[in-house]
Amino acid sequence: NAGVTQTPKFQVLKTGQSMTLQCAQDMNHNSMYWYRQDPGMGLRLIYYSASEGTTDKGEVPNGYNVSRLNKREFSLRLESAAPSQTSVYFCASSGGPRYTDTQYFGPGTRLTVL
Amino acid sequence: DQQVKQNSPSLSVQEGRISILNCDYTNSMFDYFLWYKKYPAEGPTFLISISSIKDKNEDGRFTVFLNKSAKHLSLHIVPSQPGDSAVYFCAASSQTGANNLFFGTGTRLTVIP
Repeated sequence: NAGVTQTPKFQVLKTGQSMTLQCAQDMNHNSMYWYRQDPGMGLRLIYYSASEGTTDKGEVPNGYNVSRLNKREFSLRLESAAPSQTSVYFCASSGGPRYTDTQYFGPGTRLTVL
Repeated sequence: DQQVKQNSPSLSVQEGRISILNCDYTNSMFDYFLWYKKYPAEGPTFLISISSIKDKNEDGRFTVFLNKSAKHLSLHIVPSQPGDSAVYFCAASSQTGANNLFFGTGTRLTVIP
């Protein structure tokens, strides 16, 4: 039981390049989330998917798109990377979208945009 | 605007003593609070939570206290162990905010053997 997995673990991009961060969970969870963590700040929600087929913006969605491919997978796409998107990205999942449902996190993707 | 604040970036405690980590929040709509623990190169892992209808929740060595009037919560770890050395994040959510968690900036706890 791997929980939440993320690929890649590390990535370096040049400004303007695009890439997709992948996330998968094997806990049969309905809800999935993407967060970013910057130095000196807490994790901030980028997008979430309350259930398969739905996605919603979080606190900091600008510059990102998401796709809930199926119940297991939730990807985050940067269409034109900017240095301000240098961050550590965490994917999470929870059984449901209730605000008391515990979120379980993946190990993170460290992204550097030059 | 940081709605959840952890004003102590770091804390060092001797093994066997109590560790107290503090967290303040500004949004009075928050009614569910969590603590996550994070080791380097790993994602945060859930530790303990508390609903605003309670003022204390205990799980083994970990106890969370909530003071709603002061908009303050704390995590007590007794006794502290070297394996507890990690970054601890406080998080909060509200019934009106779906499952959008608002995180503090974290406190790095070091337990000295």
